[in-house]
Amino acid sequence: AQKITQTQPGMFVQEKEAVTLDCTYDTSDQSYGLFWYKQPSSGEMIFLIYQGSYDEQNATEGRYSLNFQKARKSANLVISASQLGDSAMYFCAMRDAGTASKLTFGTGTRLQVTL
Amino acid sequence: DSGVTQTPKHLITATGQRVTLRCSPRSGDLSVYWYQQSLDQGLQFLIQYYNGEERAKGNILERFSAQQFPDLHSELNLSSLELGDSALYFCASSVEDGQETQYFGPGTRLLVL
Repeated sequence: AQKITQTQPGMFVQEKEAVTLDCTYDTSDQSYGLFWYKQPSSGEMIFLIYQGSYDEQNATEGRYSLNFQKARKSANLVISASQLGDSAMYFCAMRDAGTASKLTFGTGTRLQVTL
Repeated sequence: DSGVTQTPKHLITATGQRVTLRCSPRSGDLSVYWYQQSLDQGLQFLIQYYNGEERAKGNILERFSAQQFPDLHSELNLSSLELGDSALYFCASSVEDGQETQYFGPGTRLLVL
């Protein structure tokens, strides 16, 4: 069965520092997609970044980059130059051929950015 | 703003009641997905519609049903509500039914008393 594991329930980072949020996944499919979403305290789910399993380059979107290591089945989110507004829950999610269109989510990591 | 709208934003009701949650997808998106986020179950996929037809079903209770209308908006109906149905219900949409990104609405926070 498809599974996403986020082992860090909570993380602290100082403003302007970089932080890595871990995500490992389990799938037997060759074709799959990996996503990161941000959920601030207001509750909405904001799409951050996407990585396809066949993409050769790591995805980047502004201050967000995805460290994709296919052999290790990991898709870590790197946030550079953290800002106070980055404080939120972060969810890793996967979709593969076995799950059709649905996203399978991890349990999330709560990031707190401090001064 | 993702472009996906959901109403109402908050809903408080009693056990045994029935409610309807409404979702309008982004302009041009044909797929609508419903997810439930609760403290004990996390984020779980409920159901997907594509261009008016049910496409995939997840952990959706028999007391829950959904539909997608010709104008592509969708409704999630929850009946015989129980305390455990209290959760944040998200609607998401995507252009097609493949590997595209799903964009989430702001959610409807349901509290069953």
